Amino acid sequence: EDQVTQSPEALRLQEGESSSLNCSYTVSGLRGLFWYRQDPGKGPEFLFTLYSAGEEKEKERLKATLTKKESFLHITAPKPEDSATYLCAVQASYNNNDMRFGAGTRLTVKP
Amino acid sequence: DAGVTQSPTHLIKTRGQQVTLRCSPKSGHDTVSWYQQALGQGPQFIFQYYEEEERQRGNFPDRFSGHQFPNYSSELNVNALLLGDSALYLCASSLSGFGTEAFFGQGTRLTVV
Repeated sequence: EDQVTQSPEALRLQEGESSSLNCSYTVSGLRGLFWYRQDPGKGPEFLFTLYSAGEEKEKERLKATLTKKESFLHITAPKPEDSATYLCAVQASYNNNDMRFGAGTRLTVKP
Repeated sequence: DAGVTQSPTHLIKTRGQQVTLRCSPKSGHDTVSWYQQALGQGPQFIFQYYEEEERQRGNFPDRFSGHQFPNYSSELNVNALLLGDSALYLCASSLSGFGTEAFFGQGTRLTVV
């Protein structure tokens, strides 16, 4: 069965303190891995799609990378406005219709 | 572009009642998926609609049903509400095809009392 595990569950950083969030996955053939940001009480906001091992994508202070077993979301010099829950989801190649989400990492950036 | 819109934003229902949630997809998108998100958890897939038919279903009982209209908008219906159905219900729209990203609405917060 497809599984997505995110770690840590929660992360507290000082403003400017860079770190990484982890998403480990087990899926029978990966069609795509997705990163979303979710603010409290809101819907997830799309960040990145990664399709194959070795792929990297960047957006402002965020950089997502992908290996055959996991993905990392690197946050460089974070600001308080980066505080949110970051969700990872996978889509299996045999099943183009279902995104399987992890429980998320709750990031807090203190000024 | 208005993005994905959902209505209502909040809803309180009594156990045993029925509820209908609505979703308008992002302009140009033809596929709508529904997710249930419990507090502190990631979204769980309920089902997906494409060309007015349910294309795939997650592990949810028959009390959960849906519909897609010719303009691609969609409804989620839940019958015989249980306390455990209290959650944030999310609608996501996408283009059918390979690994296309889904865009979410702001969700409907359903509370069953």
